[in-house]
Amino acid sequence: EVQLVESGGGLVQPGGSLRLSCAASGFTLSTYWMHWVRQAPGKGLVWVSRINGDGTTTDYADSVKGRFTISRDNAKNTLYLQMNSLRAEDTAMYFCSRGGAAAAIGGYYYYYMDVWGKGTTVTVSS
Amino acid sequence: DIQMTQSPSSLSASVGDRVTITCRASQSISSYLNWYQQAPGKAPKLLIYAVSSLQSDVPSRFSGSGSGTDFTLTISSLQPEDFASYYCQQSYSAPWTFGQGTKVEIK
Repeated sequence: EVQLVESGGGLVQPGGSLRLSCAASGFTLSTYWMHWVRQAPGKGLVWVSRINGDGTTTDYADSVKGRFTISRDNAKNTLYLQMNSLRAEDTAMYFCSRGGAAAAIGGYYYYYMDVWGKGTTVTVSS
Repeated sequence: DIQMTQSPSSLSASVGDRVTITCRASQSISSYLNWYQQAPGKAPKLLIYAVSSLQSDVPSRFSGSGSGTDFTLTISSLQPEDFASYYCQQSYSAPWTFGQGTKVEIK
């Protein structure tokens, strides 16, 4: 069964750090882009970051750029999100997701997020 | 960044109703448009990718259309399990962005 399980969330003070993990099973992690998406309480989904299969390409939302770092250990089938200089507005449920792709005309690919974990909660408060 | 705007933000409907949700991008995103469903307290679920391609195991009452900047998600006959929030999302360029969501409630 294809599965993603997040861990590492918790309560942290403003300015603190936290590292989230996402354990993958049922598929070969190294062949997929992976993403982090967050959702503040009662709010909508916000894309946070992505990383390619071998970890050489990363992208971030402007709101976390310079504070968060996405990484992966394909040998351990695990995705990470290192979060530093945390702010109250980073309080959210954090989901990891698998990046899927479908071939399009002309050698291009359509990209989406086809497998999601259940999420881990991060609360930033003093 | 590309802004995605959904309408309406919420709607009330009855079982069996036809429901339409629209999504507009701030610039052309070709066909790089996906739709997700999120039940309360649950993780999002991919419904449709590339505007109109149904993800496996998604019922055929869901359909998508559009291109460029204007897109539509249609549920042809609303079922009890469809009461949830729906989000469009562009994968044309990073940073990827979601619409603000549409909550479908029971009338």
